Amino acid sequence: DAGITQSPRHKVTETGTPVTLRCHQTENHRYMYWYRQDPGHGLRLIHYSYGVKDTDKGEVSDGYSVSRSKTEDFLLTLESATSSQTSVYFCAISEGTSGSTDTQYFGPGTRLTVL
Amino acid sequence: KNQVEQSPQSLIILEGKNCTLQCNYTVSPFSNLRWYKQDTGRGPVSLTIMTFSENTKSNGRYTATLDADTKQSSLHITASQLSDSASYICVVSVYNTDKLIFGTGTRLQVFP
Repeated sequence: DAGITQSPRHKVTETGTPVTLRCHQTENHRYMYWYRQDPGHGLRLIHYSYGVKDTDKGEVSDGYSVSRSKTEDFLLTLESATSSQTSVYFCAISEGTSGSTDTQYFGPGTRLTVL
Repeated sequence: KNQVEQSPQSLIILEGKNCTLQCNYTVSPFSNLRWYKQDTGRGPVSLTIMTFSENTKSNGRYTATLDADTKQSSLHITASQLSDSASYICVVSVYNTDKLIFGTGTRLQVFP
């Protein structure tokens, strides 16, 4: 998985609790992304980062926040988890933007269940 | 609206047979088109990336074609193997943005 790890790999939590997912890369790539994958939907971008402390929103950012204090780490936080945030979350990295022909490498995913 | 549609949704073939998966898109302006393979329980893995000027790109037994005029792409798998069982996702990049538009994928099952 191209030097990308996600933690935890599985998590069950209750509605209203905060949750933080971590993505760690060893490739020193500039761009990092958080996606969610749900049945019947393509992968959807939540947030992305184009450098340390530089982040931007994706198409489904409501209810999520991110932080990137180091090149290698990109954190996704659900401030108050809801059942609609039950999903599989993927982190991805790339050297260049999505508009370039640089490959996006995906992590193994985190399965989050909100009860 | 930028959209990527894939067909069929699912496909079952016998080992050794060939198959072709389709991708139609309405993304504009177009930058590039990608095909990914996603094994169950794992993250997607890139197979090919094609720009506007490329018609064909191969990666082993996988060959992707692109017709930018009709906004169609196909992924042809030759001499299928059991390990080809996976979802195949078509993704189109919007020019001059950081946007990728993902299709919902074609689930391929290869049986012996």
